[in-house]
Amino acid sequence: DGGITQSPKYLFRKEGQNVTLSCEQNLNHDAMYWYRQDPGQGLRLIYYSQIVNDFQKGDIAEGYSVSREKKESFPLTVTSAQKNPTAFYLCASSIGNRGIGKNIQYFGAGTRLSVL
Amino acid sequence: AQTVTQSQPEMSVQEAETVTLSCTYDTSESDYYLFWYKQPPSRQMILVIRQEAYKQQNATENRFSVNFQKAAKSFSLKISDSQLGDAAMYFCAYRSVRPGNTPLVFGKGTRLSVIA
Repeated sequence: DGGITQSPKYLFRKEGQNVTLSCEQNLNHDAMYWYRQDPGQGLRLIYYSQIVNDFQKGDIAEGYSVSREKKESFPLTVTSAQKNPTAFYLCASSIGNRGIGKNIQYFGAGTRLSVL
Repeated sequence: AQTVTQSQPEMSVQEAETVTLSCTYDTSESDYYLFWYKQPPSRQMILVIRQEAYKQQNATENRFSVNFQKAAKSFSLKISDSQLGDAAMYFCAYRSVRPGNTPLVFGKGTRLSVIA
């Protein structure tokens, strides 16, 4: 089935450690996004990528890094510089301004990151 | 920058009754898209309904409908014949129609409880 797969579902980070959250999609979507969700804060944009080998910072990019080497994959690294990483992380993708489903973002099931 | 405001952190409704969730937004753009997403306890984000700003007709999807007031920059969601499965967080979101796959801007959400 087509969709967006995020892994792992739960992740624990030790102090000073970098961790990477995986996001894979088989929808042939051009664009991919990472959002962070905190209680009472809604979803806030970390990074997004409109095309392979290109990405832009969102509103809260500090302490995070991404890569987009393949169309299907958009991993997010939470670095040790992110001092408050405990949150729920959502990956999304969209087909863009064309075709059926244009302008709609589809979401993965999320990764819950906690600090040990 | 665009902003989205959901002024009701929590709402409740009796089963089979109707409830309306409020959303206002701020933008200087004349054309854009608006969305309502549902996030049940599983935390999977599900698209409920979308509205294109250039369309005057309010969108409907089965028991879900919107009241789109462009001049007032208001986009409320009405849920008719509420069911227990409607209990969830509901997020209002805005998307620009600028070229490219622009990210969504989310409100902080409204938690809806359905009382049997």
